[in-house]
Amino acid sequence: NAGVMQNPRHLVRRRGQEARLRCSPMKGHSHVYWYRQLPEEGLKFMVYLQKENIIDESGMPKERFSAEFPKEGPSILRIQQVVRGDSAAYFCASSPPPEAGVNTIYFGEGSWLTVV
Amino acid sequence: TQLLEQSPQFLSIQEGENLTVYCNSSSVFSSLQWYRQEPGEGPVLLVTVVTGGEVKKLKRLTFQFGDARKDSSLHITAAQPGDTGLYLCAGRYNQGGKLIFGQGTELSVKP
Repeated sequence: NAGVMQNPRHLVRRRGQEARLRCSPMKGHSHVYWYRQLPEEGLKFMVYLQKENIIDESGMPKERFSAEFPKEGPSILRIQQVVRGDSAAYFCASSPPPEAGVNTIYFGEGSWLTVV
Repeated sequence: TQLLEQSPQFLSIQEGENLTVYCNSSSVFSSLQWYRQEPGEGPVLLVTVVTGGEVKKLKRLTFQFGDARKDSSLHITAAQPGDTGLYLCAGRYNQGGKLIFGQGTELSVKP
């Protein structure tokens, strides 16, 4: 999966707790995407970020979910007060900036969240 | 709203057979990517196509981007059990935009 690093790979949280998922993009990539994959469903776009800026958050639930990509460090997807319906695989992907002229987006291996 | 229709959703074939997976949209994409995903893992990129009419080959896999850049196909020749997996097409409307995924095609190749 070309170097996009996600952790933790597996996370178990009780209802009401917070979940934090981290993503380090490939070297040289400044753009990060988060996707969610529910059991037996396809990959759904959540949010698209570049350093210190949210470009597109049209797929983010209105409440409890937030994402950031700080100047230093990994991108974080934060889910507050988790509910059972948040149980899913969360995938991070990265790409070079558009001006690089490269169309490819690479995915990490995912973080599997289980809410009990 | 499903903007990228992928078919078939499920395909079970015998080793040695050929198959084609289709990805269709009413929208024009600036690029389209095909991924393969195994259970418990992330999508692995197979190919990116950007030019209308483009054909790319990857061993026994042939990818085609429609002339109008609204559709794509993946053809596998002489399928093998190792080809078993979930195949996903995904398109971008513009170079800096998000990927829109199809529903995926679950392929099972039996020995």
